[in-house]
Amino acid sequence: NAGVTQTPKFRILKIGQSMTLQCTQDMNHNYMYWYRQDPGMGLKLIYYSVGAGITDKGEVPNGYNVSRSTTEDFPLRLELAAPSQTSVYFCASSLGQNEKLFFGSGTQLSVL
Amino acid sequence: AQSVTQPDIHITVSEGASLELRCNYSYGATPYLFWYVQSPGQGLQLLLKYFSGDTLVQGIKGFEAEFKRSQSSFNLRKPSVHWSDAAEYFCAGANQAGTALIFGKGTTLSVSS
Repeated sequence: NAGVTQTPKFRILKIGQSMTLQCTQDMNHNYMYWYRQDPGMGLKLIYYSVGAGITDKGEVPNGYNVSRSTTEDFPLRLELAAPSQTSVYFCASSLGQNEKLFFGSGTQLSVL
Repeated sequence: AQSVTQPDIHITVSEGASLELRCNYSYGATPYLFWYVQSPGQGLQLLLKYFSGDTLVQGIKGFEAEFKRSQSSFNLRKPSVHWSDAAEYFCAGANQAGTALIFGKGTTLSVSS
């Protein structure tokens, strides 16, 4: 079983470039999430979605956009990359409210 | 606003010794609380969760946690630590809408021989 799959695993961007982090899950989960993890800061919620066509902001949404056109996919878009967006990004999914989160293996992004 | 606090950034425990990792939460109503573990270079794995009922919950890998409303705490414990338990541990609580988790900053556990 694939679970939650994130691509790419590593990426280096120049300031001002844009990119999309891909996330897909094959568990038919309704809920999907994007978190960023910075050293000593834990995980911060960027955006989440409770179903196809529905997205909502988390704790740190500025500089990011998401879409949820299908149940399986939840891409995260960085439009104008900034050094402050250097982080490890995790996508996660859950079957429903307050359920166990299944995490992808992460994307390490550096903006230089 | 909801918050989850892990007071200890780094803890070192001898192999075979007992472990307690602290977690405090700030919530108005009965919280939904979780402990996750992250091994180096990996995503997070659920250890256990508390929703209601028995305040002592059992998880995987021999971990347990106790919910204490009077202390606003949900501390993680293990009676005998193994070297493979060295990892980063995160306490988390559901947001008010129950739609996402708010994580603490994490506690790094080192195990000495």
